[in-house]
Amino acid sequence: EIVLTQSPGTLSLSPGERVTLSCRASQSLTARYLAWYQHQPGQAPRLLIYGASNRAIGIPDRFSASGSGTDFTLTISRLEPEDVAVYYCQQYDGSPGWTFGQGTKVEIK
Amino acid sequence: EVQLVESGGGLVQPGRSLRLSCAASGFAFDDHAMHWVRQSPGKGLEWVSGISWNSRNIGYADSVKGRFTILRDNSKNSLYLQMNSLRPEDTGFYYCVRDFQGGYYGTGTYWDYWGRGTLVTVSS
Repeated sequence: EIVLTQSPGTLSLSPGERVTLSCRASQSLTARYLAWYQHQPGQAPRLLIYGASNRAIGIPDRFSASGSGTDFTLTISRLEPEDVAVYYCQQYDGSPGWTFGQGTKVEIK
Repeated sequence: EVQLVESGGGLVQPGRSLRLSCAASGFAFDDHAMHWVRQSPGKGLEWVSGISWNSRNIGYADSVKGRFTILRDNSKNSLYLQMNSLRPEDTGFYYCVRDFQGGYYGTGTYWDYWGRGTLVTVSS
């Protein structure tokens, strides 16, 4: 099973700041099958990124992602109050199929 | 607008059964594979089960194999999860999730819409 490790556990930043979240895989995701989800309290989780760097429909361009192999990053260029959420990375490259990181909580300072 | 609305959660004793439902709307339900995913405090997010658009291909996590059954009724735009022999470790929020494509292959596909979830609590 591919294990995903996210860091940091919690981030507390001011509006307008740049946010960088990390996701590290226990083995290489050769097909770059990595997704990022945003989960706000009481809401349905929302797909942000698929294929390591492709923004999903309707996602603002302040969200971007990159990475390959075992190291992946989600960046929010300018933090907005509505971005407060837990962010999860998920791989769909391995067998068994889908595993998640433990999440990074983003808070507003 | 794509909507997935789960129902059927609640408090149940260990060893008992529960059936979850997911009502889908806003898209062609029979064009997409579907999944159940759960979130528990101890284990985070965990894929539970998936089913192809035509129900021919189905998969389960090892933790629920033999106890849970996933079903769909395309005529009713509905997904179900029959949960038997429930255990305390099955406690958590259960989410209905849409796959971006129709086939179920066990990997290689991502999910583009989730419901808000329904809470299952297994406790005596």
